[in-house]
Order: sequence, then structure tokens, then C-alpha cells
Amino acid sequence: GENVEQHPSTLSVQEGDSAVIKCTYSDSASNYFPWYKQELGKGPQLIIDIRSNVGEKKDQRIAVTLNKTAKHFSLHITETQPEDSAVYFCAASISGTGRRALTFGSGTRLQVQP
Amino acid sequence: ETGVTQTPRHLVMGMTNKKSLKCEQHLGHNAMYWYKQSAKKPLELMFVYNFKEQTENNSVPSRFSPECPNSSHLFLHLHTLQPEDSALYLCASSQGDRTGPYNEQFFGPGTRLTVL
Repeated sequence: GENVEQHPSTLSVQEGDSAVIKCTYSDSASNYFPWYKQELGKGPQLIIDIRSNVGEKKDQRIAVTLNKTAKHFSLHITETQPEDSAVYFCAASISGTGRRALTFGSGTRLQVQP
Repeated sequence: ETGVTQTPRHLVMGMTNKKSLKCEQHLGHNAMYWYKQSAKKPLELMFVYNFKEQTENNSVPSRFSPECPNSSHLFLHLHTLQPEDSALYLCASSQGDRTGPYNEQFFGPGTRLTVL
């Protein structure tokens, strides 16, 4: 089955700096890669996703990049703000024909220092 | 109510009790999921239902019994639990078709379960 590894487990940055979280996956058939943000006392929320036919996707201050050859993908947050503090999870799955449920990484606790 | 709701938000039970967790989705989705979240395994898939049919059981012990009476409601019946079952139980939903659920999942806030 799929195995997703996520690094780092904790990340502390100063407000305004950038933050990068990296994930690797094992199954080359995986083609859908979402990122979830979980704030304290809440369930995970989908913040951005990318499919294997795209190398990069941006949405305001967040972006995700995908390297299919190396089987890794990354979340980039620019101009971080205190409200970005949360736990972030990456995931991988097969979407479409032969779809398979999401396999999540172990999470990254991001702390943005004001 | 909007999105995915879960009740109760907190539950404390003894090992001999029987209790149930409830999840309801207001998104018109066809697939629903139970996850267990703990410090040891942050997001562990337990069960998947698509159009009320169970499509995945991730080797979950029989002391956890899911029920999906319709596409909007999902229950997790609990009995004879162990202290190590203490965790946050998350429900999620997604769209799907008859060949299977899609992967864009929407999560509820979870039920924090403590087993004494």
C-alpha cells in the first residue's frame, strides 16, 4: 500500500517569513495530493490540492509543488501570519479509475511567532 | 447546520459501557468516513461507506461497529472499549459515484473519547 512521510514534525517561524513542509510518497500510481489544515479543537480542513498532471498550484499565500519523478510534494506558505499556526497534513491517493482512499502523513505543527 | 456535524463533542465512558457516536453531513455527499486521530497515528482511516454500503474496513476491532442508514448519517457504535481506544474520532464526507468515493473530503469537528 501507499506510505506517506512528512517533514518536519514541528516548524517555528517568525511572522512574515515563509514556511515549507515536505512530503514523500511511495506508490507511483498516486495522482491526487491534498493538504489539510487542522486548528485546535477542529477537524482538518482542505486548503489546497494538486493532481499529477500539474507541477505547481497557487492560491494567494499558499502554493503546492509536485515532483512526480522524485515522488515528493511540498506546501509553501509565504508571508506567514499568526492565524497560520496549526497542524498541517499532506495526503496521497489515487483519484479516478482504480481510486484508493487517502493516506495521510504524520502531520507538521506550524507555530508562527508574532 | 452546515457542513459535517458530530455529536457528542466529548464523551467519557467506562470499559463496560455501550455508547454511540453520530455524524451528519449537510453537503449532499454520497460517501462517509470514520477516522481515529491519536498521538501515535495522527489520521487513521477506520471505515468507508459509499451510497450506504461499506467499501472499506481497515482491520478495525469488532468493538467498533459502524452503521450508515442513509447517505447523510453515519454512526459508530462502541462497546467494551479499552483505554487505548481513547482518541479523537473524526467523521468525513465526500462526493462519489457508484464506482467509489471521490477524494475531496470534508471533516467534522470530531468527538473526543476518553475510556476509563
